[in-house]
Amino acid sequence: GENVEQHPSTLSVQEGDSAVIKCTYSDSASNYFPWYKQELGKGPQLIIDIRSNVGEKKDQRIAVTLNKTAKHFSLHITETQPEDSAVYFCAATTVARAFGKGTMLLVSP
Amino acid sequence: GAGVSQSPSNKVTEKGKDVELRCDPISGHTALYWYRQSLGQGLEFLIYFQGNSAPDKSGLPSDRFSAERTGGSVSTLTIQRTQQEDSAVYLCASSLGTVHNEQFFGPGTRLTVL
Repeated sequence: GENVEQHPSTLSVQEGDSAVIKCTYSDSASNYFPWYKQELGKGPQLIIDIRSNVGEKKDQRIAVTLNKTAKHFSLHITETQPEDSAVYFCAATTVARAFGKGTMLLVSP
Repeated sequence: GAGVSQSPSNKVTEKGKDVELRCDPISGHTALYWYRQSLGQGLEFLIYFQGNSAPDKSGLPSDRFSAERTGGSVSTLTIQRTQQEDSAVYLCASSLGTVHNEQFFGPGTRLTVL
């Protein structure tokens, strides 16, 4: 089955800095790559996704890049704000999702 | 509109007891997923339903775990003879379809086995 590795496990940045979270996957058949944000006591919420026929997608301060040849994809958050503090999960999927172990992002004011 | 709901929100049980967790998906969503999230870990896929059928049960950790979905809506996850290692947050998600569709997650059920 699919195996997803996510790094780093924790990331601390100052407000206004950029944050980058990286994931690698093993199954070349995976063709959909969503990113989720999970706040304390809540279920994960989709923030951005990318399909395998696209190399990059941007939505305001958030962007995702995908390199299918290398089987890795990354989440980029620019101009971070304290409310960006949460746990972020990447996933790779054909049908069922295989999730990374998560990155706890801490944005200090 | 209403999102995915799960009940109970918290469940404390004694080792060896059976527990039943419930998920109400968003109306009209044909796909339903169960995940387990242990402390500090990612989401572990358990099972998914397309309608009432479960094409993929590969994630269920043991034969103590089972799930069903009736009427293409509500799903229940049952854990028999609970063990302490079953303690985790159990998350349910639903989506319009299975491929390339956003999953909407419920708030989860926190299960504690004493």
